[in-house]
Amino acid sequence: NAGVTQTPKFQVLKTGQSMTLQCAQDMNHEYMSWYRQDPGMGLRLIHYSVGAGITDQGEVPNGYNVSRSTTEDFPLRLLSAAPSQTSVYFCASTTDRGRWSTEAFFGQGTRLTVV
Amino acid sequence: DAKTTQPPSMDCAEGRAANLPCNHSTISGNEYVYWYRQIHSQGPQYIIHGLKNNETNEMASLIITEDRKSSTLILPHATLRDTAVYYCIVRVYGGYQKVTFGTGTKLQVIP
Repeated sequence: NAGVTQTPKFQVLKTGQSMTLQCAQDMNHEYMSWYRQDPGMGLRLIHYSVGAGITDQGEVPNGYNVSRSTTEDFPLRLLSAAPSQTSVYFCASTTDRGRWSTEAFFGQGTRLTVV
Repeated sequence: DAKTTQPPSMDCAEGRAANLPCNHSTISGNEYVYWYRQIHSQGPQYIIHGLKNNETNEMASLIITEDRKSSTLILPHATLRDTAVYYCIVRVYGGYQKVTFGTGTKLQVIP
């Protein structure tokens, strides 16, 4: 059971480039989300999804797009990378739709640097 | 969502109990208290959660005050591997929801 898998683990982008961070889970979880973590700060919610075809914005959605075409995958797209998007990105999933009564599982993170 | 307040850092001697406090004075009746930890930039790891009763599992105990305005996470015998940032989160049970983290408490376990 792989849990939550994020790829790539590391990425360097030039300003203005676009890319997609991948997140996949094999636990049939309905709820998935993306966070970013900047040095010395907690995790900030970017986007989340409560099921296939349903997404919504978190605290810091600007500059990012998401879609959820399958239960398993929740990719995060950077449309035009900016240095301010240099961060560590975490994907998470949990079992019940919108319900955090059970534990959430996090991926190991993607460390993104935008130069 | 109820806001939480945690001390930015704490030290604990190895082998002793680590008691991590969290204030959530605006918590609502249907909001649960969750604790997660993050070890050295890894993905956060679930520890425990509770509503109003004290909870215990193999990792920790959670003590919630009777008025539910504060809680304490207890690691009974802290080890060096427990050095991490600990996050206290308050969330509603059910429904569509955003889950937000604060800055947590950096626990340093000292040999």
